[in-house]
Amino acid sequence: NAGVTQTPKFQVLKTGQSMTLQCAQDMNHEYMSWYRQDPGMGLRLIHYSVGAGITDQGEVPNGYNVSRSTTEDFPLRLLSAAPSQTSVYFCASSRQGGPTEAFFGQGTRLTVV
Amino acid sequence: RKEVEQDPGPFNVPEGATVAFNCTYSNSASQSFFWYRQDCRKEPKLLMSVYSSGNEDGRFTAQLNRASQYISLLIRDSKLSDSATYLCVVNLLLGGYNKLIFGAGTRLAVHP
Repeated sequence: NAGVTQTPKFQVLKTGQSMTLQCAQDMNHEYMSWYRQDPGMGLRLIHYSVGAGITDQGEVPNGYNVSRSTTEDFPLRLLSAAPSQTSVYFCASSRQGGPTEAFFGQGTRLTVV
Repeated sequence: RKEVEQDPGPFNVPEGATVAFNCTYSNSASQSFFWYRQDCRKEPKLLMSVYSSGNEDGRFTAQLNRASQYISLLIRDSKLSDSATYLCVVNLLLGGYNKLIFGAGTRLAVHP
């Protein structure tokens, strides 16, 4: 049971570099989301998608882009990395409609130097 | 003000102790409620849902007070393996879609 697969697990970037964090789920969930987790801040929503072709901004979207071309995949792109984007990133998926459990990927630890 | 607030802890308790965590939420439109557990350097995982009538799962009891916008988690007979961060989560229905809002978490350390 793959669930939510997130890659890479670790990444170091230089300021100004771009990269894409990959997220894939095999549960046919409509809803996918990206969070960042910083000490004392909890999980903050970056972007989310309620289905293929539909995305929207969360609480902290600046500096990040997303797309949802298929139900399974929801990549997160950092356009020009900044030290403030050093964080742990989690991808999650869940069904839409009613109380629903969110399943998380294992996280990406990103350091921007 | 944060939408979901929790005492960050840490709560340091001996094995066998009973410990309670509290959480408040600000949006009265919150639809459903959960407790997640997050181990160090791991992803969050669902511990239990929280129902208005209160619910129990083994040593864990969750309570919800909608009038006070308050959620609690009680852990009885604490085990070393309960050491983790406990995240309070509310589900908002916004624009027809569910959105999960996470608290910053309460850290629990159970010692021998």
